[in-house]
Amino acid sequence: AQSVAQPEDQVNVAEGNPLTVKCTYSVSGNPYLFWYVQYPNRGLQFLLKYITGDNLVKGSYGFEAEFNKSQTSFHLKKPSALVSDSALYFCAVSGGYSSASKIIFGSGTRLSIRP
Amino acid sequence: DGGITQSPKYLFRKEGQNVTLSCEQNLNHDAMYWYRQDPGQGLRLIYYSQIVNDFQKGDIAEGYSVSREKKESFPLTVTSAQKNPTAFYLCASSIGGTEPYEQYFGPGTRLTVT
Repeated sequence: AQSVAQPEDQVNVAEGNPLTVKCTYSVSGNPYLFWYVQYPNRGLQFLLKYITGDNLVKGSYGFEAEFNKSQTSFHLKKPSALVSDSALYFCAVSGGYSSASKIIFGSGTRLSIRP
Repeated sequence: DGGITQSPKYLFRKEGQNVTLSCEQNLNHDAMYWYRQDPGQGLRLIYYSQIVNDFQKGDIAEGYSVSREKKESFPLTVTSAQKNPTAFYLCASSIGGTEPYEQYFGPGTRLTVT
């Protein structure tokens, strides 16, 4: 069975500092990994995905994520945080062909950027 | 504009009533999904459909029903059998097929049942 974990409920960062939001996963076979962001009372917005290839994936709004197969992790990063990055972030995983287009979402990490 | 619309944004119902949430997409996507979001629990899959006139139960389908008569539409009915229906409901769509393409989400419907 596939699963995804976001070990931190909340991450607090000062504006201008680098940020990391952690995600670990468990799938049988090759993983397909995603990051989404949700602003209050809104739907989720797609940020980036890893399917195959380069372990460092670049996405929207200056975010990037690093796939680490040995640690089964897919942490979201940004070199310099903005107050406007404050939101709820979800990591998601799919086991690929074995589970068609089903995606499992983590419980979310609330990112708070202080001015 | 291309996208997914959900209506209404807020919905209030009395316990024991069935209620239908609307989801429409003009992205020409084959696959559509319904999720339920509760505080601190992330998103849980209720139903999904990969093609017109076909749909599958997700992880928490009990007390819910869906139909997929048109490619563009995937309405969700919350029945009186759903024990705890108050939640934020999100509809999503994706290209579909055998690969897990990214999903695009609607703005959500917040359902309150009293």
